[in-house]
Amino acid sequence: KQEVTQIPAALSVPEGENLVLNCSFTDSAIYNLQWFRQDPGKGLTSLLLIQSSQREQTSGRLNASLDKSSGRSTLYIAASQPGDSATYLCAVNYGGSQGNLIFGKGTKLSVKP
Amino acid sequence: GAGVSQSPSNKVTEKGKDVELRCDPISGHTALYWYRQSLGQGLEFLIYFQGNSAPDKSGLPSDRFSAERTGGSVSTLTIQRTQQEDSAVYLCASSFRGTSGRIGANVLTFGAGSRLTVL
Repeated sequence: KQEVTQIPAALSVPEGENLVLNCSFTDSAIYNLQWFRQDPGKGLTSLLLIQSSQREQTSGRLNASLDKSSGRSTLYIAASQPGDSATYLCAVNYGGSQGNLIFGKGTKLSVKP
Repeated sequence: GAGVSQSPSNKVTEKGKDVELRCDPISGHTALYWYRQSLGQGLEFLIYFQGNSAPDKSGLPSDRFSAERTGGSVSTLTIQRTQQEDSAVYLCASSFRGTSGRIGANVLTFGAGSRLTVL
């Protein structure tokens, strides 16, 4: 069964810290992997998409890496800010039906000022 | 439109009633997706439309659930004879399909969701 796991479920850090969110998946034959953020009561916002042929993607203070062989992806957030507080979701696309993203349950991040 | 629009934003209904949830995707996006997010749970795939291809309905939990997409644009998710376990936020997303080198290809843009409460 294809599963996506995110650890930790919740994380609280002081403002300014660099942090890493983890995502692991059971089947390494992925098509792509996406990181999303979800604010309370809102929909999801796509942050980064990594194709299976890529090792990492960067956007501003965010860097996502992909290691298919170990079934892992990390989202690195540099110099965290209170506005980064949200739930971060990892989603894996195994191709075939490209609509069938398998989501992790997310990591709820709280950045304290 | 500028984003994915969903309506209603909130719906409270009685057990046994039918409900319809609407999604208006981004103009030009050929792919449309429905997901369900229950309290404390991850997102659950429901159905996926891509252009004129037959939809992938593999995620629909029962035959009470159906969806259609008219004219390759607006989609309606219908839940018949609602049950309390159908209570959730129903999220719609759209994307355009493309090669990995095209910026934004295959990136899902989500709507704000429709919160359904079945009493």
